[in-house]
Amino acid sequence: DVKVTQSSRYLVKRTGEKVFLECVQDMDHENMFWYRQDPGLGLRLIYFSYDVKMKEKGDIPEGYSVSREKKERFSLILESASTNQTSMYLCASSSPSGASVQYFGPGTRLTVT
Amino acid sequence: QQQVKQSPQSLIVQKGGISIINCAYENTAFDYFPWYQQFPGKGPALLIAIRPDVSEKKEGRFTISFNKSAKQFSLHIMDSQPGDSATYFCAARPGYSTLTFGKGTMLLVSP
Repeated sequence: DVKVTQSSRYLVKRTGEKVFLECVQDMDHENMFWYRQDPGLGLRLIYFSYDVKMKEKGDIPEGYSVSREKKERFSLILESASTNQTSMYLCASSSPSGASVQYFGPGTRLTVT
Repeated sequence: QQQVKQSPQSLIVQKGGISIINCAYENTAFDYFPWYQQFPGKGPALLIAIRPDVSEKKEGRFTISFNKSAKQFSLHIMDSQPGDSATYFCAARPGYSTLTFGKGTMLLVSP
């Protein structure tokens, strides 16, 4: 079974702190994604990566950056957390084929106070 | 043009009833339409998917109906069960690009 793990289920940070969210997948997938999920707004893509050291902006990249130094690991970074970044963050991975399924992690609920 | 519009936002169905969730899109380049199911405390998981060369796909109690001319697709859950209570997301993708998700439908199946 594909497994996507996220470093924390719940995280509470203060405004202005630098926040790291880690994601690891064990299926040797090339593609990895970071989404945020907010009630009534669905899943919105923040950043994605098709390969090591490669990154592409999604629909809402402002205030975020990412790092992919190893194929299995994709990190989301909030350089200076703000209260409007309080959300559920979901990581996903997939293979590059046309009908590839995205496999999601359980999510990290981040609260910025 | 990248949007996928999903309705209703929430749905309550009696056990044994049919749950229907609808999605509409504008981008004619979309060629892959999956539905994801998310239980509380879990990440979304692929439920069923369809390509536009067929009008219907059925897997057990779950059926996707696809209307290419109307640019609409829907998920039907037959004989809905309390265990089907979850949030459902439709999505669409052009070629090898990224998925665009609908805003989700919270389904509650009452016993």
